[in-house]
Amino acid sequence: DTGVSQDPRHKITKRGQNVTFRCDPISEHNRLYWYRQTLGQGPEFLTYFQNEAQLEKSRLLSDRFSAERPKGSFSTLEIQRTEQGDSAMYLCASSLVAGSPEAFFGQGTRLTVV
Amino acid sequence: AQSVTQLGSHVSVSEGALVLLRCNYSSSVPPYLFWYVQYPNQGLQLLLKYTTGATLVKGINGFEAEFKKSETSFHLTKPSAHMSDAAEYFCAVSRDSGGSNYKLTFGKGTLLTVNP
Repeated sequence: DTGVSQDPRHKITKRGQNVTFRCDPISEHNRLYWYRQTLGQGPEFLTYFQNEAQLEKSRLLSDRFSAERPKGSFSTLEIQRTEQGDSAMYLCASSLVAGSPEAFFGQGTRLTVV
Repeated sequence: AQSVTQLGSHVSVSEGALVLLRCNYSSSVPPYLFWYVQYPNQGLQLLLKYTTGATLVKGINGFEAEFKKSETSFHLTKPSAHMSDAAEYFCAVSRDSGGSNYKLTFGKGTLLTVNP
């Protein structure tokens, strides 16, 4: 299967700890997105990359959040000093710049902060 | 700014009955519209999309949707519900004024329950 892959699928952490999630997009896709989904809500945009450049960040992405996409391949999303409000599903998606605009999503990483 | 409104957070139908999930959007530019389905603890799977051209679009699993510009709607339908259709459905819009940003704005979702 060559879909979008996210790791880990689940993460439980104590408040105040740092966590990092990884996303491997579909190999030929040059755009990569991060979304956050809380219970009972639709996914909300956090940030996106075109190749290695981070082109847009949502105001939802506080200073405790940082995302990288070195070499334009996989991406990491780090949350520092986690808070209970960070508990959510973090979804990664990828798409092509040109051609059909649909985004393909990974299975998500469910974060629980205790 | 774009927005999506999904009318009805929960829709319940009987197996074999018509499925109708409602979506209205707001966009200052011609939108790209999508329906995604999400099963518990899973990511989102694309059902269908509208970009340009034919306003009635067909997707996977027998679903279809019609883009109605005058009503700013993109409702999802399926003639006959199956138990396996039980899931959460999200309508989404993308495309900014520059036409090249495919960031998605989602509705809050509609949970579809199918009763035997």
